[in-house]
Amino acid sequence: KAGVTQTPRYLIKTRGQQVTLSCSPISGHRSVSWYQQTPGQGLQFLFEYFSETQRNKGNFPGRFSGRQFSNSRSEMNVSTLELGDSALYLCASYRDGATDTQYFGPGTRLTVL
Amino acid sequence: GDSVTQMEGPVTLSEEAFLTINCTYTATGYPSLFWYVQYPGEGLQLLLKATKADDKGSNKGFEATYRKETTSFHLEKGSVQVSDSAVYFCALSAVGGGSYIPTFGRGTSLIVHP
Repeated sequence: KAGVTQTPRYLIKTRGQQVTLSCSPISGHRSVSWYQQTPGQGLQFLFEYFSETQRNKGNFPGRFSGRQFSNSRSEMNVSTLELGDSALYLCASYRDGATDTQYFGPGTRLTVL
Repeated sequence: GDSVTQMEGPVTLSEEAFLTINCTYTATGYPSLFWYVQYPGEGLQLLLKATKADDKGSNKGFEATYRKETTSFHLEKGSVQVSDSAVYFCALSAVGGGSYIPTFGRGTSLIVHP
């Protein structure tokens, strides 16, 4: 069974630009969550999607947005990039349910110059 | 709200030493508890989990017991290897309800020297 895939793996952008990251969950998984990981803040929850609907959202500004498609693939977008947005963005998928294991992708390393 | 507290790292050990990484939590209800591991340049992967009090999760020589009375889920391994060098995350998730947001600790870096 293929794992969670994220594209691209690495991205370099400049301040003010926007970026779109993609996540393909494990087949059969309907829920996708996104996290931002930085050395200073650790792993912070961005948002969660289930059946194309945003079910939960973390404490991030409106520049961060996402969506989920009917095949469960998800994208997240960051507009007007800031230096502080440099981070590893992780996507995780799971079937659904509080006891289910989250399966993480390798992440997209975003560097904002 | 829910929270997870892990011991700060890095934890530096020699090969074959005994490992303990402390994790305590605060949660309403009856959470499931997880340990995830992140190797350099990779995403997180599940190491072990426990879904109810007194359950012991184990995998690859690692184990942790869900202690409701002390709200703890400490990670242990009897003899660490250089290949265990990674960052370890303790996490919880709430059982029941329509939404599911796992709460992660800050992570503990483990460095094992030959």
